[in-house]
Amino acid sequence: DVKVTQSSRYLVKRTGEKVFLECVQDMDHENMFWYRQDPGLGLRLIYFSYDVKMKEKGDIPEGYSVSREKKERFSLILESASTNQTSMYLCASSPPPGGGDYGYTFGSGTRLTVV
Amino acid sequence: QKEVEQDPGPLSVPEGAIVSLNCTYSNSAFQYFMWYRQYSRKGPELLMYTYSSGNKEDGRFTAQVDKSSKYISLFIRDSQPSDSATYLCASRGGLYNQGGKLIFGQGTELSVKP
Repeated sequence: DVKVTQSSRYLVKRTGEKVFLECVQDMDHENMFWYRQDPGLGLRLIYFSYDVKMKEKGDIPEGYSVSREKKERFSLILESASTNQTSMYLCASSPPPGGGDYGYTFGSGTRLTVV
Repeated sequence: QKEVEQDPGPLSVPEGAIVSLNCTYSNSAFQYFMWYRQYSRKGPELLMYTYSSGNKEDGRFTAQVDKSSKYISLFIRDSQPSDSATYLCASRGGLYNQGGKLIFGQGTELSVKP
């Protein structure tokens, strides 16, 4: 089974801190994604990456950056955490859309609280 | 207008009921349709996948796509309390349609009462 592992299930950080959320997948997937999920707003795409050292902005990239130095690891960085970044963060991976059945495999999520 | 629209609910049904969850989409290029199930405090997991129009059945679950009306449905027969979760629909086009990225609905929260 594909596994997507997020390093922390729960995090509490202070306003202004630099926060790193780590995600590792073990199926050699090219594509990796970071979402945040908030009640009433659904899943919102922050950043995604189609390959090592490549990144593309999603719908809400402001206040975030990402790093993909190795194929299996995709990191989300909150440069200066703010209370409005309190949320559930979900990482996902997938093979490239070459046609046919492919879906995203999600991690279990990191619930981040910024105080 | 969002590309994939889904009523967020919440939806509450008695055990044993037939549940119908629905989404609409606006992009005619969408060809692949999926349903994800998300239990509380967990990540979404792929439940059903359908290509183009038609039905797909897996046990108590049936996914249905009507491309003419741009309508996506998930039916759950003999619903169980363990089906209580948030259900997200998702669609995508091919590689050259937004890079083949999945577009998600908002999710419908379902509660099945014993």
